[in-house]
Order: sequence, then C-alpha cells, then structure tokens
Amino acid sequence: NAGVTQTPKFQVLKTGQSMTLQCAQDMNHNSMYWYRQDPGMGLRLIYYSASEGTTDKGEVPNGYNVSRLNKREFSLRLESAAPSQTSVYFCASSPGGTATYEQYFGPGTRLTVT
Amino acid sequence: AQSVAQPEDQVNVAEGNPLTVKCTYSVSGNPYLFWYVQYPNRGLQFLLKYITGDNLVKGSYGFEAEFNKSQTSFHLKKPSALVSDSALYFCAVRHGGSQGNLIFGKGTKLSVKP
Repeated sequence: NAGVTQTPKFQVLKTGQSMTLQCAQDMNHNSMYWYRQDPGMGLRLIYYSASEGTTDKGEVPNGYNVSRLNKREFSLRLESAAPSQTSVYFCASSPGGTATYEQYFGPGTRLTVT
Repeated sequence: AQSVAQPEDQVNVAEGNPLTVKCTYSVSGNPYLFWYVQYPNRGLQFLLKYITGDNLVKGSYGFEAEFNKSQTSFHLKKPSALVSDSALYFCAVRHGGSQGNLIFGKGTKLSVKP
C-alpha cells in the first residue's frame, strides 16, 4: 500500500496563477483532510471531507476550493494564488465515523508563490 | 474554545538521557489526544493516542505519554533519547463534535546531541 500520495512535491507559482494539488489514498478511508503548515503555526485545517460527496470548511478556507472526486481522491485548488499561500500543504486521511482514529499523512507539497 | 499548547519551541537533550515534550490542552468533554512526529521534509507520522483507560500510553519507537486530567496535560516521554529522535513533535486534540478533526499545537523541535 502506498498510503497517502500527493502530487506535485514542489511547485512555484506567480501571483494570480491557479493550480490544483492532488491527493489520493489507498486505505479505503472515508475521511480526508487538507492542511497547511507554516513555521511556528503548526498545522491548520483548510478543508475536510467527512465522507465521499461531502466537503466542509476548516479553520483557514479562504482562497481555496476542494473536490472529493471519489472515495480515493481529494484535490485542493488555488484559483488565484497569493504570496500568503506560500506554505507546505499536507493531505491526510482517516477511517472516519464516530470512532477516534488517527490520521495518516501524505509527504506534502511545498508551494512557493512569488 | 478547544486548544492545544506546546509551551516549548525547542527541547535539547543529551543522548541517553530521558526526554519530555510538554503538551497541555483545553477541550470540552472527554479529550482524545494524539502525538505525531515529523522528520525533515516528511509528512507527519502517528506516534500514540489516548482515548480512555490507562493514563500511561505506549506508542511507537519507545515513546510513551502520560495523561493527567487534573493538570490537563499529555506530556510525551522517552526513558533514553536517541540522536535519531531529533525531529518536530506535534500534540493534537480531537475537536469535540466534529468529524474527527484534529487541532494541532504549534510543535516542539527536539534536538538530541551525542
């Protein structure tokens, strides 16, 4: 099993450009998450999908959109990138439901917006 | 509001000495607590969790954590530190009433010197 995979690993964008970060998991998990990690700020939740067909905003959703394409895939889109979106982005998944399962993380995408 | 605090940005320990990385939390209801580790340029890896039961929880790589309800703490410990334990450590609490969403602390950098 590959676990959680993310593409691309690195990306440089100019202000105003758009891009989609891809995430896939092969663990048959119901829930998927997108986080951003900034120095000294820990991880902040951007959007999550509790189950296929649903998405909800997290702590910092402004400037982002998501799509839960199917049970395996959860993409994050930046429509018009801004320098404030320079960050490392992590996708995670968990079995979901009412049980308290840990989340499994992908390797991250390092995004720079100039 | 639910929150997690990691009061130390960095912890320095000599190899072979015991280590403690501190975490305190604020949550309504029963806390579900987690520790993750992040090695450079990698995603987060799950170490251990407390859901209920014994206050001393054992996890991966020889780590353990002690849940203290009266002090609202969940400190990470290891009896004998290794240089390879050097990494960034995150404490997290499950957001009450959510779909398994986690709130992360800002992280503590552990440095183990030979």
